[in-house]
Amino acid sequence: QQQVKQSPQSLIVQKGGIPIINCAYENTAFDYFPWYQQFPGKGPALLIAIRPDVSEKKEGRFTISFNKSAKQFSLHIMDSQPGDSATYFCAASPSNTGKLIFGQGTTLQVKP
Amino acid sequence: GAGVSQTPSNKVTEKGKYVELRCDPISGHTALYWYRQSLGQGPEFLIYFQGTGAADDSGLPNDRFFAVRPEGSVSTLKIQRTERGDSAVYLCASSLVLGGEQYFGPGTRLTVT
Repeated sequence: QQQVKQSPQSLIVQKGGIPIINCAYENTAFDYFPWYQQFPGKGPALLIAIRPDVSEKKEGRFTISFNKSAKQFSLHIMDSQPGDSATYFCAASPSNTGKLIFGQGTTLQVKP
Repeated sequence: GAGVSQTPSNKVTEKGKYVELRCDPISGHTALYWYRQSLGQGPEFLIYFQGTGAADDSGLPNDRFFAVRPEGSVSTLKIQRTERGDSAVYLCASSLVLGGEQYFGPGTRLTVT
């Protein structure tokens, strides 16, 4: 019940494409859902986060879609660029703790 | 402003030795978190602090692991009698308030030989 399942494990798109990464959770106590981007040798960097009171949130080229009834959320990257090539992690937590449970990660490659 | 800093960036130690890993959170952040990331995996929660007290240490794998935050700012993760399985990147994060947006440091890569 504590797991967050992320897919796909890896993804290759052409520049300008829209990669989509999906996550699913079981624990209904989760109410905070951030996405992190990680480059090799660096710590995870917060990209965007959503809470269940909205179904979609956009920040720049990044969009989170959230489906509370299905307990699923996804990240879309618009107009992807080679510089977006990185590993992306979804996470979830009860907001009163900040104890993040991470997905397994998706390695994204954006080809020029 | 300065982000979360962690020292050392790399630590190589022999099996059975004691190590300390340090985390300096963002100034003013009251909550501090430790995670461990094995190669090819997502970060795994270890412990978090609200102020000086360990609010939740349920992720610490066993009693060889201990963490402190004596003055509510800097934190130290301590590992006794290290084992090869402890090899991983240890990440620290901080947030302004408990449950707020977490900002991660660059991590300490621990290698136990």
